[in-house]
Order: sequence, then C-alpha cells, then structure tokens
Amino acid sequence: TQLLEQSPQFLSIQEGENLTVYCNSSSVFSSLQWYRQEPGEGPVLLVTVVTGGEVKKLKRLTFQFGDARKDSSLHITAAQTGDTGLYLCAGLSQGAQKLVFGQGTRLTINP
Amino acid sequence: GAGVSQSPSNKVTEKGKDVELRCDPISGHTALYWYRQSLGQGLEFLIYFQGNSAPDKSGLPSDRFSAERTGGSVSTLTIQRTQQEDSAVYLCASSVGRLAGGRPLHIYYEQYFGPGTRLTVT
Repeated sequence: TQLLEQSPQFLSIQEGENLTVYCNSSSVFSSLQWYRQEPGEGPVLLVTVVTGGEVKKLKRLTFQFGDARKDSSLHITAAQTGDTGLYLCAGLSQGAQKLVFGQGTRLTINP
Repeated sequence: GAGVSQSPSNKVTEKGKDVELRCDPISGHTALYWYRQSLGQGLEFLIYFQGNSAPDKSGLPSDRFSAERTGGSVSTLTIQRTQQEDSAVYLCASSVGRLAGGRPLHIYYEQYFGPGTRLTVT
C-alpha cells in the first residue's frame, strides 16, 4: 500500500512568517499534486509537479518535487491570513489513475 | 467553464435507508473518480471510471456501495442500507490527461474536484 506522510498535521503561525509543509513517501510517483481545501468545499488544485527536482512557483508559494520523485514540499513566504486552509498533497503512480492522498496540513495564519 | 458539480450538497438520512449521490463532471473529461473524506481524515479513494466502465473499484468499502456512469458523463454513487459509519463528505473528481515534457514522455492526470455531498446518517 502506498502511503504519503504529510507533516506537520497542524500549523499555526503569525502573518508574515514563512513555513514549509512536507510530503514524504517510500514510493515513486509519476506526478504529485498539491490541493488547498476550505471548509465546505472540495479541494482546489494548486499545482502539479512531474519531473524530479522540479520547482514551481505560484506567487508566494514554492513547490518542489524531490529528485527521486518520492517527496515534495510546499513553502509559503510571508504568509497571509488568506492562506489559511487545509493543504493536501496527492501522488499518482505511473500507469495508475487513483490519487494517494496525504492526511493534510491544517494551516492557520493569525493576524 | 463549468466545474464539477455534485448534488445534493447535503443529505441527512436515517440508518437503513438508501441514498443516491450525483456527480456531473467537467465536459469532455473522460475519467471520473469518487472519494470519501471523513472528519479529520484524508481523502479515501472509492472508485474510478474511464468512460462508462470502472477499471478500479477497489476502494468501495462494502457491497452496499455501488456506482454507475452513463453516457460517459453523469455518475451516481448509491449507498444501500446506510450505516452511521457512512457519514462523510463524498467528493467527485474528473480528470484530463496532460503530456509531460522531458524523457521519457508520459501522460499525467490532473483531477478537479466538485464541492462534495455531506452525508449524515442518523
């Protein structure tokens, strides 16, 4: 069974601080997706990384895929209260269709 | 364009009753997925459709759960004789394949989710 370990599970920081969320596995993924979910809504796709070592930036969010395609990180610079939400990483194995999700990181940015 | 839609948004039912949850995928997306999200838990895969067939239904928790898809579009997830442990948010997603650059070439699938149906079994 493939597992994605996401850490930390909970994070509460002050506005303006930086943070990093980690997603680790012993399995290799052909692609890895990051989602953000707000209460009462479905997950919204933020980014997909597909190449080992790839770095993608989305404004203040930086996503990295590990060289071996087993891990990924999300770094937020100068966090804002609007960044509050549940962040989920999800991996897709080569030839597979179902996403394997991490448990999520519940992020709270305090004003 | 229109995203994935699901109905109803909320469903409260009594234990033992049957429920049907509906999903309308993004137009043109051939793959459709059902997931379940319990309180404080991550997303649990239930079933995946490619067109009208279901190559992977390994996540269905029991034979009380079934799903179908017609016309390569709308899908219905049916739960018979509901139990309290079935209470969760049921999420539907549809996907499109994208070609990844580099070598070797491969296709990856980005899944887009609907808002979910919150099911409460009393």
